[in-house]
Amino acid sequence: NAGVTQTPKFQVLKTGQSMTLQCAQDMNHNSMYWYRQDPGMGLRLIYYSASEGTTDKGEVPNGYNVSRLNKREFSLRLESAAPSQTSVYFCASIIGQLLRSSTDTQYFGPGTRLTVL
Amino acid sequence: EDKVVQSPLSLVVHEGDTVTLNCSYEVTNFRSLLWYKQEKKAPTFLFMLTSSGIEKKSGRLSSILDKKELFSILNITATQTGDSAIYLCAVEIQLAGGTSYGKLTFGQGTILTVHP
Repeated sequence: NAGVTQTPKFQVLKTGQSMTLQCAQDMNHNSMYWYRQDPGMGLRLIYYSASEGTTDKGEVPNGYNVSRLNKREFSLRLESAAPSQTSVYFCASIIGQLLRSSTDTQYFGPGTRLTVL
Repeated sequence: EDKVVQSPLSLVVHEGDTVTLNCSYEVTNFRSLLWYKQEKKAPTFLFMLTSSGIEKKSGRLSSILDKKELFSILNITATQTGDSAIYLCAVEIQLAGGTSYGKLTFGQGTILTVHP
């Protein structure tokens, strides 16, 4: 049981390049999330998927697209990377669609550190 | 606009000190408040609070929620160097239909540094 995994761990891109960040969970969770974390900003929600086949925008969706490929996998795509997208990206998941108890809280992946030059 | 504000943004103490971290919120439809600890990697869960006045405790850490005044505090007593981390507060907001989709709005975080 690996929990939430993310690839790659580190990535350097040039402005205008595209890439996809991969996230997978093996806990049979329904809901998955993508956050970015910048210094002094906490975590900000980019997109989320409440169930397989659905995706919705979060707080900062511009410049990103997502795909919920199946129940396990939720990918984040940068079509044309910009320096403002330099950040640490976290994927997270929960079992249901509500945080019912302390055992239902979000489980986070280890993060992807992305630098756009 | 939903807002979660943490204070202080950073704090430096010595081992053995007691610290209090603050989290205030203004949100449309509160459901729960969570505290996370983040060391080098991903945030790890500490507490989830849904009702006012009930203190959650785990060893040297405790937290309390005041839903009337819209804030929560996280207390750490007898701090150790291993407590050095970013502490994140997040609020779960209930949407129409009773669900939240687990969406969290995070504060900026408090960077705690504990010196030996």
